Order: sequence, then C-alpha cells, then structure tokens
Amino acid sequence: DVKVTQSSRYLVKRTGEKVFLECVQDMDHENMFWYRQDPGLGLRLIYFSYDVKMKEKGDIPEGYSVSREKKERFSLILESASTNQTSMYLCASSWWDRKRYGYTFGSGTRLTVV
Amino acid sequence: AQTVTQSQPEMSVQEAETVTLSCTYDTSESDYYLFWYKQPPSRQMILVIRQEAYKQQNATENRFSVNFQKAAKSFSLKISDSQLGDAAMYFCAYIIPNAGKSTFGDGTTLTVKP
Repeated sequence: DVKVTQSSRYLVKRTGEKVFLECVQDMDHENMFWYRQDPGLGLRLIYFSYDVKMKEKGDIPEGYSVSREKKERFSLILESASTNQTSMYLCASSWWDRKRYGYTFGSGTRLTVV
Repeated sequence: AQTVTQSQPEMSVQEAETVTLSCTYDTSESDYYLFWYKQPPSRQMILVIRQEAYKQQNATENRFSVNFQKAAKSFSLKISDSQLGDAAMYFCAYIIPNAGKSTFGDGTTLTVKP
C-alpha cells in the first residue's frame, strides 16, 4: 500500500515563527498536495506539486509556501505563523495509471499557533 | 468554479440498517473522478469508493455503493448493513486528475447506533 507520512501529528508554535510541515510518500508519485481542514469548510487546497521543483497555487495559498526538492518529499512552510493558521493540515499524493486514479492521504498534522 | 454540496451535516443509522449520504456537485468539465472518503476519529482519510465520470455503471465496494447520476450531478453513497466501525465523517470529493483541481464537500458526520 502507498504510504504518505506526515512527520508531526501535533505541533504548537508561536505567532511569527517559521513553521515547516513535512510530508513524504514512498511510491514515486508525481503529484503531491497540501490541504487545510477546518470544521464546516471541508478540505481546501493550499498548494500542489506535479513534479520536483514544480508547484501551483491552490485555493488558499496566502501565507503559505511550499518546497519540493525531491520527488518523495513535499514541505509546507508558514513563513510567519499566525493564529488564523491554526488548523488541521493534510498531505496527499496521487497516481494516474491509464484510467485509474488514486489519491492517498497522510494522517494529518494538527497545528496550533499561540 | 466547481462546488460540492453535502446537504446533511449529520446522519444516524441503526446498526445493520442502510443509510444514504447525499452529495451534489457542479462542474462544466466532462472528465473527472468522484470519491467518497471516510475520516474516523483517528483522522486518517480512508478511501471508501471511487467513480470515474465516464463510466455509467455505479461503483460498488462490498457494503458500499454509489448512485451516480451524471446529468443531475448527483453522487450519493449507500452503506448497507451498517456497522459500528462505519461511524465517521464522510467527505464527498470531486477531482480532476493531474490538474490540481479538487473540491471537497463540508462532510457528513455519521453516527451508528447499536
């Protein structure tokens, strides 16, 4: 089975800190995604990457940046954390094989900014 | 823009009974995938079932099946013989492969009563 691993399950950071959320997948997938999950808002796409060093903004990229230096690793960066970035963050990777498409999530990082 | 609507924030079902979760979406695209994901308290997003838009036949996975009405843009999930382990939040998702386009509904919390 595909495994998507998020390095931290819980994080508490202070306002203004630079925060790195790490995500690693073990199946050589091209596409990786960062989502934010808030109650009543579903999952909202922050950024996605379709190859090494390639990235595209999602629906809510403001206040975030990403890095993908290696295919298996996709990092989400909060340049200067703010309290409104307190949320659950989910990483995912996807694969595409002919007409079958798969989408696998990590177990999430719950970030609290104080 | 694509939208996904789950009109039932909460649902409950008696163990061994059948329940249907509703999902409607709006899109002008013709090639896309629809998913139902389950998120138990462990937070791990688990794929329940997937439907390719080009397929007319409704997808089934054991006790889970969908009623996909492409013209009506409806994608409901039926859970038969409900089990206690089915209790979770369920998300309906619309995804266009390899395009970074994904839209999730707000979720439906399913309670299973013993």
